[in-house]
Amino acid sequence: KAGVTQTPRYLIKTRGQQVTLSCSPISGHRSVSWYQQTPGQGLQFLFEYFSETQRNKGNFPGRFSGRQFSNSRSEMNVSTLELGDSALYLCASSPRQGASARYNEQFFGPGTRLTVL
Amino acid sequence: ILNVEQSPQSLHVQEGDSTNFTCSFPSSNFYALHWYRWETAKSPEALFVMTLNGDEKKKGRISATLNTKEGYSYLYIKGSQPEDSATYLCARLNTGNQFYFGTGTSLTVIP
Repeated sequence: KAGVTQTPRYLIKTRGQQVTLSCSPISGHRSVSWYQQTPGQGLQFLFEYFSETQRNKGNFPGRFSGRQFSNSRSEMNVSTLELGDSALYLCASSPRQGASARYNEQFFGPGTRLTVL
Repeated sequence: ILNVEQSPQSLHVQEGDSTNFTCSFPSSNFYALHWYRWETAKSPEALFVMTLNGDEKKKGRISATLNTKEGYSYLYIKGSQPEDSATYLCARLNTGNQFYFGTGTSLTVIP
């Protein structure tokens, strides 16, 4: 099976711009989660999508949004970029969501490195 | 404990040494504890998923234990090899189905 893919791998933007990141999960996986990692911080949970619906949301401002398509591919959008948004953004897919998901490991993509100038 | 904490932050060991590190987490609303290995320039890779108090998991030279009542998990590596060099992350899944990651333990195995 092909792994989780993320595009683009690297991105440079300037403050005030917006950006869209893409994640294609492993075939058959319906849950996609997004994480942000900044230096010195652990992976911070952004949101989780399952069957095209946002099921969980972390503590991030409304500038961060996402969506999931019927083929389980997911996009994450950040509007009005700030310098502090410079980070590695990882997505992870998993077969299930909810009570049965506790036994499921997450499969991570390679990440998108976003630099905001 | 309010957050997931990992210690030590970094560790250097000689090849052949055994080592262990700790993940501490809030014990309330606990659902599962995941361990991941994250090698430089690669994606985090799952090592173990643990759910029950007293769980012990083993994969080759790596093993982990879980104590959900006191809120900690230990990861052990026996006979460390240079290829074990990586950052080891733990993540707590709560009953709200949200993952909370620690900042990781960076392990360097010196040949």
